Amino acid sequence: EIVLTQSPGTLSLSPGERATLSCRASQRDSSTYLGWYQQKPGQPARLLIYGASRRAPGIPDRFSGSESGTDLTLTISRLEPEDFAVYYCHQYDNSPALTFGGGTRVEIK
Amino acid sequence: EVQLVQSGSELKKPGESLRISCKGSGYSFSSYWISWVRQVPGKGLDWMGRIDPSDSQTNYSPSFQGHVTISADTSITTAYLQWSSLEASDTAMYYCARGSGSFWGDFDYWGPGTLVTVSS
Repeated sequence: EIVLTQSPGTLSLSPGERATLSCRASQRDSSTYLGWYQQKPGQPARLLIYGASRRAPGIPDRFSGSESGTDLTLTISRLEPEDFAVYYCHQYDNSPALTFGGGTRVEIK
Repeated sequence: EVQLVQSGSELKKPGESLRISCKGSGYSFSSYWISWVRQVPGKGLDWMGRIDPSDSQTNYSPSFQGHVTISADTSITTAYLQWSSLEASDTAMYYCARGSGSFWGDFDYWGPGTLVTVSS
């Protein structure tokens, strides 16, 4: 079973600052797909990034994703008030299996 | 407009059965995988399994295999998640989510969730 480890658990930042969220997969190959979701309290998750670096429709360009080996990174270039939320990475393949990371909470400092 | 509308909250006792629903509209229901995702209060997201509504092919996470059943009825564009015998540990919010075309695990639309509470 693939395990996704997100860090940090909580990120305390101010509006306007840059946020960098990390996600490490226990294993990775070319047949897996990676992405990120945002979840606010009382709401379902929202797809932000798919294919590791592609923004989902309607997602502002301050959100970007990148990957390097087993590491996935979500960057929010300048935090807006509405960006304070919990972020989950996810990985899936066509076996099929899908795993979410444990989440990173981005809170207002 | 694509929508996934889920059934309302449920309060059940351990050992009881339950079926919750997820009605899709605004798109070709048979053309997209539907997955179910569990979220225990205050915790993260767990993928439970998926269904291809066109042929009712299902796949389950090993963690949920044998404990839940996923089904769909294309005539009423509705997917279901059911339990034959609930446990207290099944208390959670359950979301249905649509896979985005070829990328079945990229969930582009989500239902609002159904809260299931299991308590004696």
